[in-house]
Amino acid sequence: AQTIHQWPVAEIKAVGSPLSLGCTIKGKSSPNLYWYWQATGGTLQQLFYSITVGQVESVVQLNLSASRPKDDQFILSTEKLLLSHSGFYLCAWSLDWGGAEQYFGPGTRLTVL
Amino acid sequence: QQQVRQSPQSLTVWEGETAILNCSYEDSTFNYFPWYQQFPGEGPALLISIRSVSDKKEDGRFTIFFNKREKKLSLHITDSQPGDSATYFCAAITGNTGKLIFGLGTTLQVQP
Repeated sequence: AQTIHQWPVAEIKAVGSPLSLGCTIKGKSSPNLYWYWQATGGTLQQLFYSITVGQVESVVQLNLSASRPKDDQFILSTEKLLLSHSGFYLCAWSLDWGGAEQYFGPGTRLTVL
Repeated sequence: QQQVRQSPQSLTVWEGETAILNCSYEDSTFNYFPWYQQFPGEGPALLISIRSVSDKKEDGRFTIFFNKREKKLSLHITDSQPGDSATYFCAAITGNTGKLIFGLGTTLQVQP
């Protein structure tokens, strides 16, 4: 069975500090991977997607970047956090090229102070 | 402009009643509509989905009704249970884009 793991579970960071969030998928080969952001009490907004190692497409610009160093790993990062980066970050995967059925991880709660 | 709209924003029903959550969309190229259930502090879970070639999809107590002409869907939860209390998101996607568009969600409270 496939499992999706996100780390850390929660982070409290200062404005201007760097950030790195991770996501690992086990049990699926060559999944499509996605990063989403969710404001507290809000909807989900897709940030990035990747269909293969080393390839990442940006969907919205939020002063964040993403990388896919391994087939089963997706990293979200920034060098300088903003207050507006606070929220819930979710990693998702899909198997089909169209990305219709997407399955989400448990999320990372980020608080920027 | 919100491409996927949901109503009501919040809904309270009694245990055993049917909860009806509505969703509408603008883009006629959307052809797949998943519904996600999210509990506080957790990632959303895929609950049920429908493709635009169908007008109904049933899975246990959960049923999606789809009206392509009016660009509307509804999720019916029959025999609602307190454990169904969660936020429900309607989403939509076009073809092979991989870009899921989410509505703002409906928060359902089932009173025992």
